[in-house]
Parts: sequence; structure tokens; C-alpha cells
Amino acid sequence: DVKVTQSSRYLVKRTGEKVFLECVQDMDHENMFWYRQDPGLGLRLIYFSYDVKMKEKGDIPEGYSVSREKKERFSLILESASTNQTSMYLCASGDRAYEQYFGPGTRLTVT
Amino acid sequence: GEDVEQSLFLSVREGDSSVINCTYTDSSSTYLYWYKQEPGAGLQLLTYIFSNMDMKQDQRLTVLLNKKDKHLSLRIADTQTGDSAIYFCAESGRDDKIIFGKGTRLHILP
Repeated sequence: DVKVTQSSRYLVKRTGEKVFLECVQDMDHENMFWYRQDPGLGLRLIYFSYDVKMKEKGDIPEGYSVSREKKERFSLILESASTNQTSMYLCASGDRAYEQYFGPGTRLTVT
Repeated sequence: GEDVEQSLFLSVREGDSSVINCTYTDSSSTYLYWYKQEPGAGLQLLTYIFSNMDMKQDQRLTVLLNKKDKHLSLRIADTQTGDSAIYFCAESGRDDKIIFGKGTRLHILP
């Protein structure tokens, strides 16, 4: 079974803090994705990566950056957290043009 | 642009069939998907259909695709309380991205 894990299920941070969200997959997938999920807005793509050290902006990259130093690990970074970044963050990985496997999500609250 | 639309809420009595509908805009999509999200969990791929098919059945699930109208539906037969979840319709987009709808919350009445 494909496994996608995220470093935390729940996280509380203060405004202005630097926040790291980690995602690890065990299926040697090339593609990895970060989404945020908000009520009434569905899933919105923040960043994705096709390969190690490669990244592409999604639909809402502002305020975020990513890092992919190893194939199995994709990190989402909030350089200076703000309250409007309070959300559920979902990581996914998958083969090309077929399907994505999701992690359990990290619920981030910024106070 | 690419867009996926679905209603936000559906209420169904236990034992009845649930039908969740979705429309999409990108006629070049290769795959169309249904994902399920249970409370507090991530998304789980429920089923998918290749764009050259018009129907796919998997136990209690039936997916119908009308490519002309760009309409996708998911039918859940004999709906159970465990089917209570948010169901996301999605299409394969450009550059291996998946475009998700906003999700339909399925509520099961006793």
C-alpha cells in the first residue's frame, strides 16, 4: 500500500513564525503536491514538484515556499505565518496523469 | 480555464441510492476521478474512469460519464452510514495536475 505521511496532524503557531510542514512518501513517486483545503473553497494547489530540486507554482503560492532535496520528501514552508494561513494542509504524491495519494492532512492554526 | 463544479450538499436516507453529480470544462481530460474524504482524514481515491469509457461499476459504486455534456456522476447503491463523507469530483489537467471540485457533503438520514 502506498503511504504518504505528514509530520503533524495538528499544529498551532504564532503570527510571524516560520513553519515547516513535512511530507514523506514511500512509493518512489516523481510527483508530489501541496494543497490547502478551506470550507467552501475546496482544494487549492499551492506548489508541486516533478522531481528532486524541481518545483512549480500552483494556484496560490504567495506566502509559501517548498523544498525537495530528496525524492521521498516534500516540505512546505511558511516564511512568516499569518492568520489567513490557518487551514488544513494536504500533501499528495502520484504517478503521472493517473492518481494522487493523499496524506492525512495537517490542521494548522496561526494565532 | 479548467473548472470542476459540483453541488455542496446531498442528503439521502439510509438504504436509498445516492447520486452525486459533477460537471467539468476540460474536454481533453484523460481521467476523471471520485475521491472520498471522511471526517478528519485526507482524501482517498474511490474510483476513476478513463475518458473513453461511459460507465464503470465497482460493487456498490457506479460511475457514469457523458463526455458530450462533460457530466460525471457517482451512484452509491444501498447507502450506509459509513458512506457519510465529502466526495470530490476531479479531472486530470495539464502538466499532471488534478483539478478538484469543491466537494459534495453526503449526509445520511436514519
